Amino acid sequence: TQLLEQSPQFLSIQEGENLTVYCNSSSVFSSLQWYRQEPGEGPVLLVTVVTGGEVKKLKRLTFQFGDARKDSSLHITAAQPGDTGLYLCAGEGSNDYKLSFGAGTTVTVRA
Amino acid sequence: GAGVSQSPRYKVTKRGQDVALRCDPISGHVSLYWYRQALGQGPEFLTYFNYEAQQDKSGLPNDRFSAERPEGSISTLTIQRTEQRDSAMYRCASSLALVGTEAFFGQGTRLTVV
Repeated sequence: TQLLEQSPQFLSIQEGENLTVYCNSSSVFSSLQWYRQEPGEGPVLLVTVVTGGEVKKLKRLTFQFGDARKDSSLHITAAQPGDTGLYLCAGEGSNDYKLSFGAGTTVTVRA
Repeated sequence: GAGVSQSPRYKVTKRGQDVALRCDPISGHVSLYWYRQALGQGPEFLTYFNYEAQQDKSGLPNDRFSAERPEGSISTLTIQRTEQRDSAMYRCASSLALVGTEAFFGQGTRLTVV
């Protein structure tokens, strides 16, 4: 059983379209991190959100942390083929530094 | 070193043999994590350490799996009496153990039990 539920599991869109990935949990986290992983590589951090309600932007990527610090979303505007990859959310425990990952969302952007 | 180093990169072993997977974290990183990852899935938590203390081992599948980090640096994940179902990518990560700090991952060890 995953502590963090990600949806959807797979997402295939055309270049130029927008997409949103969701990460939900019943647990409260001290931080929520988003990673991107390419085939054959380890996950690489995209962003960390710490404050409830926080919104962070990274070029065409927008990350939001829920007010209760239990959920998060990742929105990509005008997706490009280079955005293709496995997107992972990870929650940092509120009482420790344990980092738990969701099952991931595989995003494919077609040219 | 510059990054998290795992060895070996690939390990093929016969069923019933013991294996030891090594992780050398980034120098100065307090937290060290072990995960198991299936293809196309997120990393599944196994265990983690702060310094030499094992903080949580709730993700270890059974008592054939154990991990240690005796001097608070290099860690070893040991699997005894391997079974085919143990075949997977095993990943190690380390971090500074401050709220919100990044976990840096190694390249992983691909374990195949035949």
